[in-house]
This record gives sequence, structure tokens and C-alpha cells, in this order.
Amino acid sequence: TAGITQAPTSQILAAGRSMTLRCTQDMRHNAMYWYRQDLGLGLRLIHYSNTAGTTGKGEVPDGYSVSRANTDDFPLTLASAVPSQTSVYFCASSDSGEFTDTQYFGPGTRLTVL
Amino acid sequence: GQNIDQPTEMTATEGAIVQINCTYQTSGFNGLFWYQQHAGEAPTFLSYNVLDGLEEKGRFSSFLSRSKGYSYLLLKELQMKDSASYLCAVGDSNYQLIWGAGTKLIIKP
Repeated sequence: TAGITQAPTSQILAAGRSMTLRCTQDMRHNAMYWYRQDLGLGLRLIHYSNTAGTTGKGEVPDGYSVSRANTDDFPLTLASAVPSQTSVYFCASSDSGEFTDTQYFGPGTRLTVL
Repeated sequence: GQNIDQPTEMTATEGAIVQINCTYQTSGFNGLFWYQQHAGEAPTFLSYNVLDGLEEKGRFSSFLSRSKGYSYLLLKELQMKDSASYLCAVGDSNYQLIWGAGTKLIIKP
């Protein structure tokens, strides 16, 4: 089973350009999340969605937007990339939006903004 | 502020036991998670503690003391494949997960 897939695996992006990171899950999970992981820091939540059609802001939402048109897909868009958005981005999902649910992570997208 | 502290790096020997500590200061407490992350890979769930005490799962055990704001992950009979980062995450009063930076565990033969 695929679980969660993310695309692209890695990307180098010029500052000021826009980009969408893709995330798809095949587990029919209701909740999905976007995190960034930076060296020396813990995972930080960017945006989340508890169910299709709803989204919420996490700890570091500025500069990012998301949509949840259906259960399976949760794309993350950078409208105008800046070097501080260089990071590894992980998408995750859980069965429901319940806090105690295990989160399942995708393989990550390594983004470099120059 | 909210803070999760873990050692940055630890080294242990194959076959031995290692304890990875996590201390936390958060606005409220709604459980503590441990995840394992191999280099270049996604984090995977190891354990969840919400009550004080020890939870055992095979070679891995996790302990929680809410009064001390403290948890540890105990790994027994270490194997080379246990070389990874171990992430501690705590649920705060808003049921948001606050993640530690992780402890990189290096296993030597």
C-alpha cells in the first residue's frame, strides 16, 4: 500500500517564484497536516485539515496556503518563496482529527529557495 | 513559552541498553508521543503516554512522570537498525503537538 506520497522529492526554487507541494494519501484518513523540519528544531505545524473542505492554521502558517477539496489530496502552496522557506516539508495524515491518533508521515519534500 | 528538551546526540553499543530523556514545559498536557526517524526518512510512531508509568512494547519502553514534566524512551538489546533520531512530542492545552528537535542515536558495533 502506498500510504502517503509527496511530490516532488526535492526542488530548487528561485526566490519570488511560486510552488505547490503535492500530498496524496490512500488510507481514507480524515485529517491531514503539513509540517516543516529544520535542523536543530522540532517539526513545526504549518497548516492542518480535520476533514475535507476545512483547513486551519498551525504554528507557522505565514507564506503558505492549503486547500482540501477532497479526502485524499492536501496541496501546500508557497505563493512567493523566500530563502527562509528552505526546509524539509512533511505531509502527514491521521484517521480522525483526534489528538491521540497516530500520525502517518509521507517521505518528505526537500525544498531549497535561492 | 513552550519547550521540549532532548539531548542532541547519544552513542551506544550494539546489544546494550540506552535511555533517551525528554523534559517538557508546555501550557497544559495532553499526552506525550515518541516517534522514530531514520535519516532521510519520515517519522514513524513508537509510543503514546498519557498516564504516569511505564509502557512496554517489545524492546522499546516509554516512561512518563507528569509531575516532573519528564519522559524517557528505553531501548533494549540495541541493534544497528536502531540508529535513528528519536522525536519527543507533547500535546499542549490546545491539543497541538509541540515537537522536540530530536535525539540522534548512534549505535556502534
